[in-house]
Amino acid sequence: AQSVTQLGSHVSVSEGALVLLRCNYSSSVPPYLFWYVQYPNQGLQLLLKYTTGATLVKGINGFEAEFKKSETSFHLTKPSAHMSDAAEYFCAVSDQQTGANNLFFGTGTRLTVIP
Amino acid sequence: ETGVTQTPRHLVMGMTNKKSLKCEQHLGHNAMYWYKQSAKKPLELMFVYNFKEQTENNSVPSRFSPECPNSSHLFLHLHTLQPEDSALYLCASSRRLAGGFDEQFFGPGTRLTVL
Repeated sequence: AQSVTQLGSHVSVSEGALVLLRCNYSSSVPPYLFWYVQYPNQGLQLLLKYTTGATLVKGINGFEAEFKKSETSFHLTKPSAHMSDAAEYFCAVSDQQTGANNLFFGTGTRLTVIP
Repeated sequence: ETGVTQTPRHLVMGMTNKKSLKCEQHLGHNAMYWYKQSAKKPLELMFVYNFKEQTENNSVPSRFSPECPNSSHLFLHLHTLQPEDSALYLCASSRRLAGGFDEQFFGPGTRLTVL
């Protein structure tokens, strides 16, 4: 079975500060990993994904994440927060055997950006 | 219309009502999903349809009845719901590749309130 843990249900940063959202996963097989963002009253939008290959993945809106197998982590970062980054962020895992047909999501982290 | 659309966006119903949620994808995908999003809980996968065939039913109560008439449309029929069924219901779609990976694209959701 697979699972995702997102540490911190709420994170606040100042505008221009580093954003770090934590995600740890559990998977018995090589994982596929995703970060999604959800703005108020909207569905989920894919930020970035890791499947195979390069462990540092770049996504939209200046976000990136690094797959660290030894730490079973896939933390999301952005060097400089913008007000428009305020949203809820979800980490998800699936596996290479089933593809993305079966995603397991974390409980989400709500990011607040302080002006 | 582009992407994944859902109607209605908001629905209020009594416990004895029968209603349906509709999802339509305009992406040429062949897998569709229903998720339930409740506060403080991870997204819960309810149903998966691959090529119009239901391949996943995660112990969902029978008061939720999915229907997938073709690869572009997905319905969720609701009857005799309970107040705890109030949530955001998200539809997603993806391109199912043979033995491969595809990412899921989400609709904006239907906010359901059961009185």
